[in-house]
Amino acid sequence: QITLKESGPTLVKPTETLTLTCTFSGFSLSTRGVGVGWVRQPPGKALEWLAVIYWDDGKYYSPSLNRRLTITKDTSTNQVVLTMTNMDPADTATYYCVHRLVNYGMDVWGQGTTVTVSS
Amino acid sequence: DIQMTQSPSTLSASVGDRVTITCRASQSISSWLAWYQQKPGKAPKFLIYKASSLESGVPSRFSGSGSGTEFTLTISSLQPDDFATYYCQQYDSHPLTFGGGTKVEIK
Repeated sequence: QITLKESGPTLVKPTETLTLTCTFSGFSLSTRGVGVGWVRQPPGKALEWLAVIYWDDGKYYSPSLNRRLTITKDTSTNQVVLTMTNMDPADTATYYCVHRLVNYGMDVWGQGTTVTVSS
Repeated sequence: DIQMTQSPSTLSASVGDRVTITCRASQSISSWLAWYQQKPGKAPKFLIYKASSLESGVPSRFSGSGSGTEFTLTISSLQPDDFATYYCQQYDSHPLTFGGGTKVEIK
């Protein structure tokens, strides 16, 4: 059974850097075709794809956030980390970690973690 | 980037109705389209991949169709558990992109 769980701060100040960790089980991020990504959802708004990292260390980012995002993986601890710099109140959202396979959708989602940006 | 446009943004329907949601891509994505269902306060649930393939465990009243730039999600007979927001998402190329969502409300 595949599970993912997000962890990180619930409150960050404007201009700070957000670090979110996705801890997963039930699959290996060393297996060909596997990826772990991040999706966010501001309150009352639509889903927004942020980034993904694949088994071969391929990384892709949302163009609008590319300069602020970094995604990394640690296959030994089954974790993926997303950092977002220069946080703004507009970044207030629920952040989801997701599992995907190439040529497939995002089939398993974490429960999400809510991040509020406020001074 | 490939833009995904869903219509309508809100849909009012009754239990038993046949419901159709449309998703359009700004360029051809072949059949690389997924659909998700989201209920308030919950993570999205994966419904359909490759435009028309039903994920395991998803009720057969859900179906998807289309290819290229135009796609539809159909619920053949709306059930109380189906009132939710639905999103399409393309995975033809990065960046992966979602549609703006369609909220299915009780009429």
